Amino acid sequence: KAGVTQTPRYLIKTRGQQVTLSCSPISGHRSVSWYQQTPGQGLQFLFEYFSETQRNKGNFPGRFSGRQFSNSRSEMNVSTLELGDSALYLCASSVVLEGANVLTFGAGSRLTVL
Amino acid sequence: DQQVKQNSPSLSVQEGRISILNCDYTNSMFDYFLWYKKYPAEGPTFLISISSIKDKNEDGRFTVFLNKSAKHLSLHIVPSQPGDSAVYFCAASKSAAGNKLTFGGGTRVLVKP
Repeated sequence: KAGVTQTPRYLIKTRGQQVTLSCSPISGHRSVSWYQQTPGQGLQFLFEYFSETQRNKGNFPGRFSGRQFSNSRSEMNVSTLELGDSALYLCASSVVLEGANVLTFGAGSRLTVL
Repeated sequence: DQQVKQNSPSLSVQEGRISILNCDYTNSMFDYFLWYKKYPAEGPTFLISISSIKDKNEDGRFTVFLNKSAKHLSLHIVPSQPGDSAVYFCAASKSAAGNKLTFGGGTRVLVKP
């Protein structure tokens, strides 16, 4: 069974640009969540999508947005990039089994903003 | 406002001995707790979880203990193996079915052969 696939794995952008990251969840998983990992703030929840609808949102500015397609694949977009957006962006897909939700993470997309 | 804290950024332990990782939380609404392990260049991997209605859960070499009154949980790894060297994150959720996890800052574990 293929895991969570994130593309691209690495990318470099400059301040003011925008970036789109992609996530393909595990087959059959309808929920996709995004997290940002930085050395200073650790792992922080960005948002969650289920059946193409944003179901939950973390405390990030509106420059961070996402969407989910009918095949459950998800993208997140960051506009007007700032130096502080340099981070590892992790996508996780999940399914509820016996009342518990276990997230399976992808390897992440490492974004460097210069 | 760090709602989940791992106060030890690193831990070094001899192979075969016990590793004990600690985690404290402040939000009493959390009722489901998880531990993830992360190797470099990989995403976090789920290890073990515990619901707030329990105080202990075991899975092989891994045992998680929860002390609700102290808002404290710990992960015990016995015996520790070199392959356990990784960064360990504790995480909390307000519901077992929720996807919004609040993570601690992580503890880097080094198991020496």
